[in-house]
Amino acid sequence: DTGVSQDPRHKITKRGQNVTFRCDPISEHNRLYWYRQTLGQGPEFLTYFQNEAQLEKSRLLSDRFSAERPKGSFSTLEIQRTEQGDSAMYLCASSYENTDLQETQYFGPGTRLLVL
Amino acid sequence: ILNVEQSPQSLHVQEGDSTNFTCSFPSSNFYALHWYRWETAKSPEALFVMTLNGDEKKKGRISATLNTKEGYSYLYIKGSQPEDSATYLCAAANWGKLQFGAGTQVVVTP
Repeated sequence: DTGVSQDPRHKITKRGQNVTFRCDPISEHNRLYWYRQTLGQGPEFLTYFQNEAQLEKSRLLSDRFSAERPKGSFSTLEIQRTEQGDSAMYLCASSYENTDLQETQYFGPGTRLLVL
Repeated sequence: ILNVEQSPQSLHVQEGDSTNFTCSFPSSNFYALHWYRWETAKSPEALFVMTLNGDEKKKGRISATLNTKEGYSYLYIKGSQPEDSATYLCAAANWGKLQFGAGTQVVVTP
């Protein structure tokens, strides 16, 4: 399967702990996105990378959140000092930049985080 | 920030019936409109990317239309089957990132 993969699929942690999620995009894709989805809402944009450069961060992304894509391939999303409000589904998507506006983002299955 | 809304929030359909639901988005600064199908425990699946006013796209029994001047898109499911049960998300593209609606949850009962 050459789709987007995410690890772990589920994570339960205690408030105050740090957690890190990994996303492996489709191999030829140069763009990588992180979204967060809470119950009853659609996914909300968090940040995105073009190759290894982080081009945009949402105001939703507090100082406790950091994302990296060190070699322009896989990406990690770290949450420090987790809070119960961080409980959500974290989705990763990748795409290949094109200029005809038809750029499709392909999503992974997500990491569901529960903070106790 | 683009305000994307979907209605209804959920709907129940009898197997074999056809259905449709709506996505509305700001018509100014329109870039592209995406539809996804998201089944429980799976990845959201890309259905369509639509950019031109009057666009119609079709994938099997599912089709979508786009009106960029008035800011809405319809998604149609013809002859619904139980495997069509999913949450259908639309998203407006804003310089690459997607602004999603809350989704329409479709339940098809045999």
